[in-house]
Amino acid sequence: GENVEQHPSTLSVQEGDSAVIKCTYSDSASNYFPWYKQELGKRPQLIIDIRSNVGEKKDQRIAVTLNKTAKHFSLHITETQPEDSAVYFCAVTGGSYIPTFGRGTSLIVHP
Amino acid sequence: DVKVTQSSRYLVKRTGEKVFLECVQDMDHENMFWYRQDPGLGLRLIYFSYDVKMKEKGDIPEGYSVSREKKERFSLILESASTNQTSMYLCASSLGHSGANVLTFGAGSRLTVL
Repeated sequence: GENVEQHPSTLSVQEGDSAVIKCTYSDSASNYFPWYKQELGKRPQLIIDIRSNVGEKKDQRIAVTLNKTAKHFSLHITETQPEDSAVYFCAVTGGSYIPTFGRGTSLIVHP
Repeated sequence: DVKVTQSSRYLVKRTGEKVFLECVQDMDHENMFWYRQDPGLGLRLIYFSYDVKMKEKGDIPEGYSVSREKKERFSLILESASTNQTSMYLCASSLGHSGANVLTFGAGSRLTVL
């Protein structure tokens, strides 16, 4: 089955810095790569996603890049703010519609 | 605006008890999922269902069963709760059977087994 590795497990930055979280996957047939954000005590929610025919997607301060050859994709957050503090999960979906999640990254943004 | 509802936010049960966790979605989604969330282990899939009365095992089905008698409702059952099943349980649903399915999660049910 699909194997998804997510790094780092914890990321601590100063407000205004950039943050990058990376995920690698094993199945070359995977074609959909969402990112979910889970704030403390709340449910995970989709923040951005990318499909395999696109290399990069941006939405204001967040972006996702995909390298299908190397089988990795990354979440980029620029100008981080305290409200960006949360756990971020990457996920990968291939031929089935069942996503496989990474283990999560706890992002802490210090004011 | 809540679309996936989990009936219990917090439960405390004793070892050996039978536990029911209920999940209801109002979006007419085909797929429903039960995940277990533990620190450092991410979201692990217990069971999923792609249609009424259909169920498939996920990555960690041992000690659990599920029921989907109606499209909108997906129940997780712990036949005999054990302490190692103390965890946060998240229900989710998604629309169809293509790869690009966005999951909508419930608020979670935190289960403590004493």
